[in-house]
Amino acid sequence: GENVEQHPSTLSVQEGDSAVIKCTYSDSASNYFPWYKQELGKGPQLIIDIRSNVGEKKDQRIAVTLNKTAKHFSLHITETQPEDSAVYFCAAKRGGSGYALNFGKGTSLLVTP
Amino acid sequence: SAVISQKPSRDICQRGTSLTIQCQVDSQVTMMFWYRQQPGQSLTLIATANQGSEATYESGFVIDKFPISRPNLTFSTLTVSNMSPEDSSIYLCSVIDSTSGNTIYFGEGSWLTVV
Repeated sequence: GENVEQHPSTLSVQEGDSAVIKCTYSDSASNYFPWYKQELGKGPQLIIDIRSNVGEKKDQRIAVTLNKTAKHFSLHITETQPEDSAVYFCAAKRGGSGYALNFGKGTSLLVTP
Repeated sequence: SAVISQKPSRDICQRGTSLTIQCQVDSQVTMMFWYRQQPGQSLTLIATANQGSEATYESGFVIDKFPISRPNLTFSTLTVSNMSPEDSSIYLCSVIDSTSGNTIYFGEGSWLTVV
């Protein structure tokens, strides 16, 4: 399938700082880009998503930006808190009529008090 | 958002046996998917569960190993057949929620350990 590259694989920040996770995709037909947070022992929880007709979306401390020309999208978490510590996955919907997702390899975020 | 329930949540299985995982959604959904997440890894699509017809499998996954049923718009099952330790993974059900703009949600997963 088409690739989704995610960086960094691990990220450690101090409480209150910002965290940025970046993803690139190769399928030019992708038009839906969700982000999931996975805590230990739990399933992936959707935290924000963006569609290709917008360049940015924000929900409180979380924002996502999309650059379709460059085929990359980023997750921004501001004022990080220890409870933000988790693994974050980016994904891109495959082109075509289906809704299957290609996932990045994940970023393990640690927010230290 | 759609509420997705999976059973079992966890299980320890003997090598060579088969286990069926159930996925129940609290509303009718157009599309359901099954993903696998191996320990410490990302999510990989196994198949799309099609209502009333055979599932569509991804490369590397076959029906004999992972038979899938979807008898209606709220329920699907995934069977992991003739299990080996390499099948130890989290198996995740995913749905498209058309009531929230075709947003994609996941269940909590079924954590299988094969011994």
